[in-house]
Amino acid sequence: DADVTQTPRNRITKTGKRIMLECSQTKGHDRMYWYRQDPGLGLRLIYYSFDVKDINKGEISDGYSVSRQAQAKFSLSLESAIPNQTALYFCATRDHSGGRDTQYFGPGTRLTVL
Amino acid sequence: AQKITQTQPGMFVQEKEAVTLDCTYDTSDQSYGLFWYKQPSSGEMIFLIYQGSYDEQNATEGRYSLNFQKARKSANLVISASQLGDSAMYFCAMREGWGGGFKTIFGAGTRLFVKA
Repeated sequence: DADVTQTPRNRITKTGKRIMLECSQTKGHDRMYWYRQDPGLGLRLIYYSFDVKDINKGEISDGYSVSRQAQAKFSLSLESAIPNQTALYFCATRDHSGGRDTQYFGPGTRLTVL
Repeated sequence: AQKITQTQPGMFVQEKEAVTLDCTYDTSDQSYGLFWYKQPSSGEMIFLIYQGSYDEQNATEGRYSLNFQKARKSANLVISASQLGDSAMYFCAMREGWGGGFKTIFGAGTRLFVKA
């Protein structure tokens, strides 16, 4: 089974709709992240969380909100989707123990806003 | 200003040859980390290699090595003996400092094409 899962994998929605993207992890990591990927721009950080009580904005948080329901779950919401939020969205966890620093990414959610 | 710069939008390499993907970075932190990720056409992000700013040796992971030149602020990825399965997008990334959320900044990527 995958360590970081995302649902849905693909979603097409209309402008103005509320959308929730979900992320679950079985790795036991405290830190979780949401990124979006647009062609030619690499990945950009939307929100990140150190633990259930700690939520932080990334570089492009406008138009998004998150919820850390448990250590293993981190959801991203688009309250009122707009076409320029069409992108590939990645959830990730981070392992920084024992001198290592590795991010583990989910498979991605491809979101299209019409 | 760009924190991570990958100047090669696309690269071609012959199968079995080595290839170097360029990455330069900009930071005033003394402690930082550098990463390379691979993204095949299927879309997933695959961690390849990590180099800490205080690591004296260049990182290696199998056919991947990171040519870390701290004074030049470069962290080039070297893939030896290229395989057809190496065709993918490659992203260089940097984590600044140890506090502040371990935020990672990604470059725009280099698309590698391996020719048979």
